[in-house]
Amino acid sequence: DAKTTQPPSMDCAEGRAANLPCNHSTISGNEYVYWYRQIHSQGPQYIIHGLKNNETNEMASLIITEDRKSSTLILPHATLRDTAVYYCIVRGNNNDMRFGAGTRLTVKP
Amino acid sequence: GAVVSQHPSRVICKSGTSVKIECRSLDFQATTMFWYRQFPKQSLMLMATSNEGSKATYEQGVEKDKFLINHASLTLSTLTVTSAHPEDSSFYICSARDPTGTSKSGSYNEQFFGPGTRLTVL
Repeated sequence: DAKTTQPPSMDCAEGRAANLPCNHSTISGNEYVYWYRQIHSQGPQYIIHGLKNNETNEMASLIITEDRKSSTLILPHATLRDTAVYYCIVRGNNNDMRFGAGTRLTVKP
Repeated sequence: GAVVSQHPSRVICKSGTSVKIECRSLDFQATTMFWYRQFPKQSLMLMATSNEGSKATYEQGVEKDKFLINHASLTLSTLTVTSAHPEDSSFYICSARDPTGTSKSGSYNEQFFGPGTRLTVL
């Protein structure tokens, strides 16, 4: 019951922006949208999170639609090292993180 | 961001033996820690939630007598896989929640993940 839907895989050319979509149509008002990524055989790495406003940090930007039913993670200039599985997770403040299948992003030279 | 460590990073053991995996929060006190398991080509599955000083809460289908969890301090939780069998071979990942935002990231109630422990049972 991951509460999110993501495409299973995406490709992106190196140096281009990678836009990873996520649907979370049943999100509640107090639930945040989190993005993590997992590079092979490592623990998940936090990327960004938001409630309703768009967010940006040194790694990525998070665009959340006004109705909060979907969001997009943007890696502005993808590199080969960004190849990973990206997980979109919806979580309330006191709830645990439950992972869906994620999107396997492959950045190609 | 905050650092969560796990030890060992990988372990190989014989069938029938027990294996202990440690999870530590290095720069914050974690009242809640989580244990996940990940089989090849699959996503992380939550096994149990452990609160300091109390019994762990296990997810449906996870045997509490097989996967013993101890959260004796605010910076350490251990997972012991008892009488391990080849089907227990997996990547075990812990996570710790920072309830007060005292970690370097300063984010209230954030959840940070360890690097994982790869268990292989022969």
